[in-house]
Amino acid sequence: KAGVTQTPRYLIKTRGQQVTLSCSPISGHRSVSWYQQTPGQGLQFLFEYFSETQRNKGNFPGRFSGRQFSNSRSEMNVSTLELGDSALYLCASNPGQASSYGYTFGSGTRLTVV
Amino acid sequence: GQNIDQPTEMTATEGAIVQINCTYQTSGFNGLFWYQQHAGEAPTFLSYNVLDGLEEKGRFSSFLSRSKGYSYLLLKELQMKDSASYLCAVRDGDSGYALNFGKGTSLLVTP
Repeated sequence: KAGVTQTPRYLIKTRGQQVTLSCSPISGHRSVSWYQQTPGQGLQFLFEYFSETQRNKGNFPGRFSGRQFSNSRSEMNVSTLELGDSALYLCASNPGQASSYGYTFGSGTRLTVV
Repeated sequence: GQNIDQPTEMTATEGAIVQINCTYQTSGFNGLFWYQQHAGEAPTFLSYNVLDGLEEKGRFSSFLSRSKGYSYLLLKELQMKDSASYLCAVRDGDSGYALNFGKGTSLLVTP
């Protein structure tokens, strides 16, 4: 059973540019959550999608957006990049119910903004 | 919102036992998770508690007290490979099914 796949693994962008990250969840999982991880702040929740609908959103500016497709794959977009957006972006998939099933994380996309 | 607190760093000796504490405040508690994250890798799921008490899984155990907003992760017979960051996360049913994480506890296991 394939795990959670995130692409690309590494990305370098310039301030002001925009970026799109992709996440393919475990087959059959309908929930995808996105997190930003930085050394100072730890893992911070961005948003969660279930069946193509954003079900929950964290406390990030509107420059951060996402979507989910009918096959449960998800993308997140960051516009007008800032230096502070440099981070590891992780997605996690889950069947979708509030169960004991642990959320499975992908290996992440390391974004560097220069 | 949620406040999730855990110690920043801990050091323990190979073969020993270590307890990593986590305290939280949430309005709609719906489960507490522990994750392990090695440097440069993705977090991996360790344990889940939703009812009070102890859940044991091999060398790792996790305890929950909902009335105290408190959990701990107990690691026995420590091995060098247990050196990692341990993340406590709370699911709040009032705000969907996302997990809110503490900043993690960096555990160093020494010979």
